[in-house]
Amino acid sequence: DAGVIQSPRHEVTEMGQEVTLRCKPISGHDYLFWYRQTMMRGLELLIYFNNNVPIDDSGMPEDRFSAKMPNASFSTLKIQPSEPRDSAVYFCASSFWAGGQDTQYFGPGTRLTVL
Amino acid sequence: QQQVKQSPQSLIVQKGGISIINCAYENTAFDYFPWYQQFPGKGPALLIAIRPDVSEKKEGRFTISFNKSAKQFSLHIMDSQPGDSATYFCAASKGSARQLTFGSGTQLTVLP
Repeated sequence: DAGVIQSPRHEVTEMGQEVTLRCKPISGHDYLFWYRQTMMRGLELLIYFNNNVPIDDSGMPEDRFSAKMPNASFSTLKIQPSEPRDSAVYFCASSFWAGGQDTQYFGPGTRLTVL
Repeated sequence: QQQVKQSPQSLIVQKGGISIINCAYENTAFDYFPWYQQFPGKGPALLIAIRPDVSEKKEGRFTISFNKSAKQFSLHIMDSQPGDSATYFCAASKGSARQLTFGSGTQLTVLP
């Protein structure tokens, strides 16, 4: 398996523009997580899905952020409009419960820079 | 109640030495405690995990020690190697909830 795939790997945009981050989870995994990582705040959970349904979006910072999972193999995180403070590395992770243990597998991340 | 506090923020160890990273939690409902390792430019990857029914788990040079009464757990890296230089995160989750609460991370540097 190729692991969790994220695109783009790097995104540079200007304030006010729309940004869409993409994630393909590992096949067969039933949970998908979106995280944001910054030096100041560390790893923050933004939202997670179970079987394509959003379960908890309490970590989404504000209405400018939205996430969708139209099917089991694809999810998007959208920021509209983007602001400089959104600059961070965004990770997608997927997991599957097996043998009493749940392991989250992280993608390589998307480094977002908002100018 | 959901916090996981991690220390130290950074750690420098000589090759062959022992690296120790500590975490403390508040929520007694937490019952799964993984450690993740992250190299620069990569996503975190599961290193080792423990449940509170055991006090220690060892996998190769990596050991988790767990103290349920103190609500603390720690990662010990024996015979530390330069290749272990990375950022380490402790985390915790509870019951059937699948989301992890992460510590703030420890940047480990192992000098050759």
